[in-house]
Amino acid sequence: GEEVAQTPKHLVRGEGQKAKLYCAPIKGHSYVFWYQQVLKNEFKFLISFQNENVFDETGMPKERFSAKCLPNSPCSLEIQATKLEDSAVYFCASSRQGNQPQHFGDGTRLSIL
Amino acid sequence: DAKTTQPNSMESNEEEPVHLPCNHSTISGTDYIHWYRQLPSQGPEYVIHGLTSNVNNRMASLAIAEDRKSSTLILHRATLRDAAVYYCILSRGGSNYKLTFGKGTLLTVNP
Repeated sequence: GEEVAQTPKHLVRGEGQKAKLYCAPIKGHSYVFWYQQVLKNEFKFLISFQNENVFDETGMPKERFSAKCLPNSPCSLEIQATKLEDSAVYFCASSRQGNQPQHFGDGTRLSIL
Repeated sequence: DAKTTQPNSMESNEEEPVHLPCNHSTISGTDYIHWYRQLPSQGPEYVIHGLTSNVNNRMASLAIAEDRKSSTLILHRATLRDAAVYYCILSRGGSNYKLTFGKGTLLTVNP
């Protein structure tokens, strides 16, 4: 498709439950990026992929967070044993090549109760 | 990553030009200057980027100082739809490609 598609738009989980977010990058884009926006303006880079390979995971919390980009499937970001502090909007972006503009989806708002 | 400094907020009137400044005094020779904006309830949207020369596209112009320690995003005629948070971001060419967002400038456009 011509847009980055993120699902679901909203996700509500109780503390300790698992959360899984999905991202379909734009067709033909080789790079996928995940970002977390906790407060209105504060973004944190989590992880990036070049095709199905992890490219940069320096922003990923060591525990509980994992991500995958498998061929012919949407990319996913999974959070095990969610905590209140995981409440945020999670954005996925894709780019044709790494140094080209990133196209963002509209995000998944994760609320941990 | 080199840091950028932007005003917290700016105001403009509809159909007037807007100049959004960004300081990046620690920029290195291979750092690209990117501008993204985030409209309410949406993901960030790419606006423009450049390295040394001024750049123009259908959305905006980017004016880069000769010493590259500052840049200005120019919206030639602001519309209500341009109300957003504008982020000035540096990224190192050939590096890890991640975008490091600061707090950005909240642009309000008055009718």
